[in-house]
Amino acid sequence: NAGVTQTPKFQVLKTGQSMTLQCAQDMNHNSMYWYRQDPGMGLRLIYYSASEGTTDKGEVPNGYNVSRLNKREFSLRLESAAPSQTSVYFCASSRPGQGYEQYFGPGTRLTVT
Amino acid sequence: KQEVTQIPAALSVPEGENLVLNCSFTDSAIYNLQWFRQDPGKGLTSLLLIQSSQREQTSGRLNASLDKSSGRSTLYIAASQPGDSATYLCAVRYSGYSTLTFGKGTMLLVSP
Repeated sequence: NAGVTQTPKFQVLKTGQSMTLQCAQDMNHNSMYWYRQDPGMGLRLIYYSASEGTTDKGEVPNGYNVSRLNKREFSLRLESAAPSQTSVYFCASSRPGQGYEQYFGPGTRLTVT
Repeated sequence: KQEVTQIPAALSVPEGENLVLNCSFTDSAIYNLQWFRQDPGKGLTSLLLIQSSQREQTSGRLNASLDKSSGRSTLYIAASQPGDSATYLCAVRYSGYSTLTFGKGTMLLVSP
């Protein structure tokens, strides 16, 4: 049981490049989330998917898009990366039967130059 | 705006001390509250989840309490060890919301 996995672990992009961060969970969770963590700002929600087929904006959605590919996978896309998107990105998942307890992946450290 | 506050931002204690980390929230209408631990360069690990109907939860040397009326939760760590050094985050799921609101965390250092 791998829990929540994220790829890649590290990435360096140039301004204007695009990339997709991948997230998968094997816990049969309904809900999945994307956060970013920045020094002094804490964890902020970018997008979430309450169930397969639905997505909603979080606190800081600008510059990002998401796809809930199936129940297991939730990807985050940066169409045109900016230095302000330099951050650590975390994916998480949860399900109602566990009180919506959230489980986190190991994170992706992204640098945009 | 619903907020979660954790004070202090950093705490340093000698090994063996019992300690309390604080978390306060602005609205008593919560669904549950979750405490996490984060080691440097790592993801968040869930420590304890307290439902709104519960007063406390325990796991090993950790005990988390919840007082909705005062908008407070505490995480008690007994007999602290250097391995407890990490950042501890509190997060609240407010009633009617599908997401968590996080505090900024308390960075704990336990020295041998």
